[in-house]
Amino acid sequence: AQSVTQLGSHVSVSEGALVLLRCNYSSSVPPYLFWYVQYPNQGLQLLLKYTTGATLVKGINGFEAEFKKSETSFHLTKPSAHMSDAAEYFCAASWTSGSRLTFGEGTQLTVNP
Amino acid sequence: NAGVTQTPKFQVLKTGQSMTLQCAQDMNHEYMSWYRQDPGMGLRLIHYSVGAGITDQGEVPNGYNVSRSTTEDFPLRLLSAAPSQTSVYFCASSPLAGPSYEQYFGPGTRLTVT
Repeated sequence: AQSVTQLGSHVSVSEGALVLLRCNYSSSVPPYLFWYVQYPNQGLQLLLKYTTGATLVKGINGFEAEFKKSETSFHLTKPSAHMSDAAEYFCAASWTSGSRLTFGEGTQLTVNP
Repeated sequence: NAGVTQTPKFQVLKTGQSMTLQCAQDMNHEYMSWYRQDPGMGLRLIHYSVGAGITDQGEVPNGYNVSRSTTEDFPLRLLSAAPSQTSVYFCASSPLAGPSYEQYFGPGTRLTVT
């Protein structure tokens, strides 16, 4: 079955440090890939998406992600963490011609001062 | 634009009660969907609609009904609430049905079934 896995349910970094959130998908067919962020008591907001073309995708708030087909991965990075980045991050994939999203389990990012 | 709105924000039900979670969008989006969010499980698709009058089941449809009589509204009905339906429910919409289109999420409804 096609699935999305996020390694690490909790990630803690210091302010100014590199943020790396991991996402892998399981399928021989590459999907469309998304990263969403959820701030406390809010809905999900799209950070970035990969559909076709350039494999390095830049998103909002300084985040970027690279699609690596050989590794079936779509890891999210940010060079320097800010306190305002503390939130839950979800990786999601779509394999269908419709809009059905398959989500990973989520990663809670904590940024320490 | 208000975007995607959901009511109520919070709800407590007793086992066996029924209720309707409301979702509306003012962006003239064709595609709408309902997800539930549970700790450690991400979001799972309950039902979705590709246009007025057209609905289909997602990954976890049991115990829920939907209908889509207008483009704007996509209510989710719990027929007989069970404690397993305690969750946070999100409604989402996108312009068209297609994986490259961004989905816009509402603020969520937190439901507790006792």
